[in-house]
Amino acid sequence: GENVEQHPSTLSVQEGDSAVIKCTYSDSASNYFPWYKQELGKRPQLIIDIRSNVGEKKDQRIAVTLNKTAKHFSLHITETQPEDSAVYFCAAQRQRGSGNTGKLIFGQGTTLQVKP
Amino acid sequence: SAVISQKPSRDICQRGTSLTIQCQVDSQVTMMFWYRQQPGQSLTLIATANQGSEATYESGFVIDKFPISRPNLTFSTLTVSNMSPEDSSIYLCSVALGRTEAFFGQGTRLTVV
Repeated sequence: GENVEQHPSTLSVQEGDSAVIKCTYSDSASNYFPWYKQELGKRPQLIIDIRSNVGEKKDQRIAVTLNKTAKHFSLHITETQPEDSAVYFCAAQRQRGSGNTGKLIFGQGTTLQVKP
Repeated sequence: SAVISQKPSRDICQRGTSLTIQCQVDSQVTMMFWYRQQPGQSLTLIATANQGSEATYESGFVIDKFPISRPNLTFSTLTVSNMSPEDSSIYLCSVALGRTEAFFGQGTRLTVV
């Protein structure tokens, strides 16, 4: 069935360093890949996403890359700050339509700790 | 984005009872979903709430345990029936805008004692 594997499960970096989180998906029909940030006790918040017709997308300090052939995508956070500390989830989705509901399949999550 | 109001935000319930969680959106949306997030875990899709028809449940989730209503394009409810301590979790509704982007309600933290 559909599956998304996410690594690492925990990541600790010094403030100012970069952080990279990687995900692999199994459903080759997936074509939308969002990343969510969840702070303790809060709802998941969409921080960046990428569609299958694009290989990389950047938004200030965060970027996402996609390798469709290998079926993996990664989140890159540069110049990390303590407020980046949170749990990050990747997800994969088939685009809604043609019988697809557009449901998201989530990775297991990565707890990122940025040490001041 | 959309403003998604979910209530209650938390509740403590006795085993054997049922709890209905409400999700209200400030605009009409085609797709609404219900997720469960067990403590320290990822999000697992329970079902897709379909307007005007029965919800579509994922493997491992059944209508008798998690009945869902979707009377219109802005509102849905999830009921957790005959609760046991194993149902203690965060339940989140999600709406899809456009063809892909999904946003979440603030969640309902359920504790079953």
